Amino acid sequence: AQKVTQAQTEISVVEKEDVTLDCVYETRDTTYYLFWYKQPPSGELVFLIRRNSFDEQNEISGRYSWNFQKSTSSFNFTITASQVVDSAVYFCALSEARNQGGKLIFGQGTELSVKP
Amino acid sequence: DADVTQTPRNRITKTGKRIMLECSQTKGHDRMYWYRQDPGLGLRLIYYSFDVKDINKGEISDGYSVSRQAQAKFSLSLESAIPNQTALYFCATSGLSGSLNQPQHFGDGTRLSIL
Repeated sequence: AQKVTQAQTEISVVEKEDVTLDCVYETRDTTYYLFWYKQPPSGELVFLIRRNSFDEQNEISGRYSWNFQKSTSSFNFTITASQVVDSAVYFCALSEARNQGGKLIFGQGTELSVKP
Repeated sequence: DADVTQTPRNRITKTGKRIMLECSQTKGHDRMYWYRQDPGLGLRLIYYSFDVKDINKGEISDGYSVSRQAQAKFSLSLESAIPNQTALYFCATSGLSGSLNQPQHFGDGTRLSIL
């Protein structure tokens, strides 16, 4: 069965702190895709990143970085020097190649609050 | 203009009413999806469609139906609304690059309250 777990329901940090959002997934497929989405207070969902299961290279985009480890089935997201604008709910999601990568299974979300 | 447009943005209605949520897109994507979001549960897939003649049930399709009227339009219906269908509903679209599904792009959501 496919499943995504974001064990951290809420995280609160002070501006400029680094913060890591955890994501653990379960799948029987050998080919799958992992995603992170951001949902700011305005409610829309913003795509942040997609990772393929055969590419374990970590990725950095500005203050954002992602650590993909197949050995632990984890795809963690780190925000460096957090800012108030980073306050949002963050979702990790999984899709499997046998579903043509189309069906997204979401985690429960982590609500990040960055205080000034 | 938004690439994925959902109407209405907000709706309050009564138990037993029939409700239709509409989604249209200008991205030219073949694949469209409906999700609902509930606090603490993330988003769950209701129905999805990979082209105009294709409709598939998702994780929580009971109590819902869909219609893919055209490539650009995908409607979600609640035939007889009940209070536990109160949620935030999202439409999404995705395209294909070769055989690889591209990331889904979401509309701004419809907040539905059923009294």
